[in-house]
Amino acid sequence: QVQLQESGPGLVKPSETLSLTCTVSGGSISTYYWSWIRQPPGKGLEWIGYIYYSGTTNYNPSLKSRVTISIDTSKNQFSLKLSSVTASDTAVYYCARQIVVPAAYFDCWGQGTLVTVSS
Amino acid sequence: QSVLTQPPSASGTPGQRVTISCSGSTSNIGSNYVFWYQRLPGTAPKLLIYSNGQRPSGVPDRFSGSKSGTSASLAISGLRSEDEADYYCAAWDDSLSGPVFGGGTKVTVL
Repeated sequence: QVQLQESGPGLVKPSETLSLTCTVSGGSISTYYWSWIRQPPGKGLEWIGYIYYSGTTNYNPSLKSRVTISIDTSKNQFSLKLSSVTASDTAVYYCARQIVVPAAYFDCWGQGTLVTVSS
Repeated sequence: QSVLTQPPSASGTPGQRVTISCSGSTSNIGSNYVFWYQRLPGTAPKLLIYSNGQRPSGVPDRFSGSKSGTSASLAISGLRSEDEADYYCAAWDDSLSGPVFGGGTKVTVL
């Protein structure tokens, strides 16, 4: 059974870069698509972007200029970097496995990690 | 605000049927499959319905999904206390070239 676990700092200062890693266990990362999704307090879910195991990426246009998603198949991990953060980037960040594109088909999710942007 | 529109809340007594609506447009629900996710308190979201109305293994048949035009709905029949959760609809959006979600509906069992 595939499990995902997010890790990274829970507090990031404004203008700095948010960095999170998702570790995949119980299965290989060398297939499917791997996504990052976030939920700001009191708001709905927002897709950030995904990466295919080959390295191909696709980002939400609203965040594209600040987002980088990378993958390390040797460690079964993929990562998110979001630059120049502001308070509006405060959210619970989830990593998820996306079965197929184009479809909103996420069959495994991490527990989520709260990232607060504050000085 | 969310691209897909859901009511913020829904409720029912045990055994009742509750329906949650999800409204979108021709670029998302109108041309792509709809998915539903359940998030129980303090847990990760869980896939509840895929491809409009299919249930993954292990999801009770009390949960059913349907789609018509640019709208979709999730029905919970025989409501149980353990169904208290947030429910989200999602679909691929051709304009965004990515997935979009609803704002979520909190289901309360009275």
